[in-house]
Amino acid sequence: DAGVTQSPTHLIKTRGQQVTLRCSPKSGHDTVSWYQQALGQGPQFIFQYYEEEERQRGNFPDRFSGHQFPNYSSELNVNALLLGDSALYLCASSLFGQGGNTEAFFGQGTRLTVV
Amino acid sequence: SQQGEEDPQALSIQEGENATMNCSYKTSINNLQWYRQNSGRGLVHLILIRSNEREKHSGRLRVTLDTSKKSSSLLITASRAADTASYFCATDAMNRDDKIIFGKGTRLHILP
Repeated sequence: DAGVTQSPTHLIKTRGQQVTLRCSPKSGHDTVSWYQQALGQGPQFIFQYYEEEERQRGNFPDRFSGHQFPNYSSELNVNALLLGDSALYLCASSLFGQGGNTEAFFGQGTRLTVV
Repeated sequence: SQQGEEDPQALSIQEGENATMNCSYKTSINNLQWYRQNSGRGLVHLILIRSNEREKHSGRLRVTLDTSKKSSSLLITASRAADTASYFCATDAMNRDDKIIFGKGTRLHILP
């Protein structure tokens, strides 16, 4: 049973460029959430996708966008990269609507460095 | 914004000792979860405790939840070098939106 997989593992981009990160959820899960984790900080919620729609969004600018495909996999896109976007980007998968049983499974993350 | 706040921010103890970390949160919750993260890698789920539970055990882990004080604690007994990691509490909200919000974490270092 494959867990959550993210690609790529590491990425170096230049300021102003655009980046796409990918996530495949755990088998049987239908919801994907994306988090940004700066060094020494806790993960910050970016947004959540379910049924190919953005359901929840954290306090992130419109430069951050996403997509969910029919097979539940997801992409995170960041446009016009800033140095401050350098972080570990984590993808979490879960089963929607579980209320008090929302255990999320995380991938190993993508380390993005903006230079 | 952060929902949970872990305390202490960092903790160093000798191998074999017990480690206790605390978490406080702001709003009513359905559940609270604890995660471990090794060296900036992915988060590993440790334990989930529901709002109607007061204590839960899993191996060397013991979690308590006090909803009246909006706080939780994670106890790791008989610590090992492999327990060196960052520990985060995470809470959902009672509106069933399934969004999980993390605190800033406690960095635990087990000394040999």
